[in-house]
Amino acid sequence: DTGVSQNPRHKITKRGQNVTFRCDPISEHNRLYWYRQTLGQGPEFLTYFQNEAQLEKSRLLSDRFSAERPKGSFSTLEIQRTEQGDSAMYLCASSSTGGGTEAFFGQGTRLTVV
Amino acid sequence: QKEVEQNSGPLSVPEGAIASLNCTYSDRVSQSFFWYRQYSGKSPELIMSIYSNGDKEDGRFTAQLNKASQYVSLLIRDSQPSDSATYLCAVNQAGGGNKLTFGTGTQLKVEL
Repeated sequence: DTGVSQNPRHKITKRGQNVTFRCDPISEHNRLYWYRQTLGQGPEFLTYFQNEAQLEKSRLLSDRFSAERPKGSFSTLEIQRTEQGDSAMYLCASSSTGGGTEAFFGQGTRLTVV
Repeated sequence: QKEVEQNSGPLSVPEGAIASLNCTYSDRVSQSFFWYRQYSGKSPELIMSIYSNGDKEDGRFTAQLNKASQYVSLLIRDSQPSDSATYLCAVNQAGGGNKLTFGTGTQLKVEL
């Protein structure tokens, strides 16, 4: 197992286009998280899954954002009708169930909306 | 008041010195605390976790937690130029499903 994997690593898109990112968590981890990070800020929580169930969504996650984890394994994050303000690093992390369990991040997907 | 606060820095220390990074948090029921290191353009890398009051040591790193003061710190002994990075403090609130709240990070520069 090589850790959390995200694809693509970089994405440049035109404003108004839809984009989709993929995250493959560490295989034995049942929790998966999406965060967004902009320059000079710490990562901000977007949403998380326990197995296939999406248990929490941040107020940051507008209606244009949707995330899925259909079989409790990989997850996708889709942004519809992208805006320049969506430009950021999108980070995926995974962890095991249980309080205080450590979360490990993937390499991130850097989105640039032009 | 931000939920997790860190001094943005930069904090500059000479090679071989001890670097001390600090973090305060606002939610008293927070249970788990983490330090991540992030190099420019890369994703955060977990370097320390701490769950109970006191010190936890791992190699050159020591995390310190004081829940009464709502304070967590990271000490890096024998600082190396390769330690130059942004250090993110993260807090897991009770019942938060391991969701982390991050500070904005402290930039550390270790100078030769």
